[in-house]
Amino acid sequence: DADVTQTPRNRITKTGKRIMLECSQTKGHDRMYWYRQDPGLGLRLIYYSFDVKDINKGEISDGYSVSRQAQAKFSLSLESAIPNQTALYFCATASRDSGTSGSSDTQYFGPGTRLTVL
Amino acid sequence: AQKITQTQPGMFVQEKEAVTLDCTYDTSDPSYGLFWYKQPSSGEMIFLIYQGSYDQQNATEGRYSLNFQKARKSANLVISASQLGDSAMYFCAMREWNFNKFYFGSGTKLNVKP
Repeated sequence: DADVTQTPRNRITKTGKRIMLECSQTKGHDRMYWYRQDPGLGLRLIYYSFDVKDINKGEISDGYSVSRQAQAKFSLSLESAIPNQTALYFCATASRDSGTSGSSDTQYFGPGTRLTVL
Repeated sequence: AQKITQTQPGMFVQEKEAVTLDCTYDTSDPSYGLFWYKQPSSGEMIFLIYQGSYDQQNATEGRYSLNFQKARKSANLVISASQLGDSAMYFCAMREWNFNKFYFGSGTKLNVKP
């Protein structure tokens, strides 16, 4: 089974609708992230969370909200979807700094959710 | 200023040849890590290789190696013996340990020609 899962994998919705994207992880990581990727571009950070009570805005948080329901679950909501939110959305997890640093401290990504807002 | 810069939007390489994908970074944090990810057309992000700022040797993982030049703040990915399956987008990323932030470059699209 995948360590980081996202649901749904694909979603088409209409302008003005509320939509929630969900992310679950079994890696036991404290840190979780939401990114969006527009065609041909890199990833931009929407929100990140260091633990259940610590949620922070990223560079493009306007129009989005998040909820960290548990250590393993981090949801992203679009309160009123608009067409320019059409993108590929990734959830990622990372461990707390181990102090030794290494490849285990990388971010692990979910498979992505393709969202289309008509 | 850009934290991660990838100056090659697209690259072509002949199958079985080596290719270097460029990445430069900017940070004031003395402790950081550099990562490369591969994103095939299917969309998933696949971790390839990691280099720590204090690592003395360049990282290698199979056909991937990271040419780390700390003074130049560059972390180029070298893929040896390219295969058709290497055709994908490649992203360079950085984690600043003290500031606990991740940054991604805009990516390089690699096409391997038969």
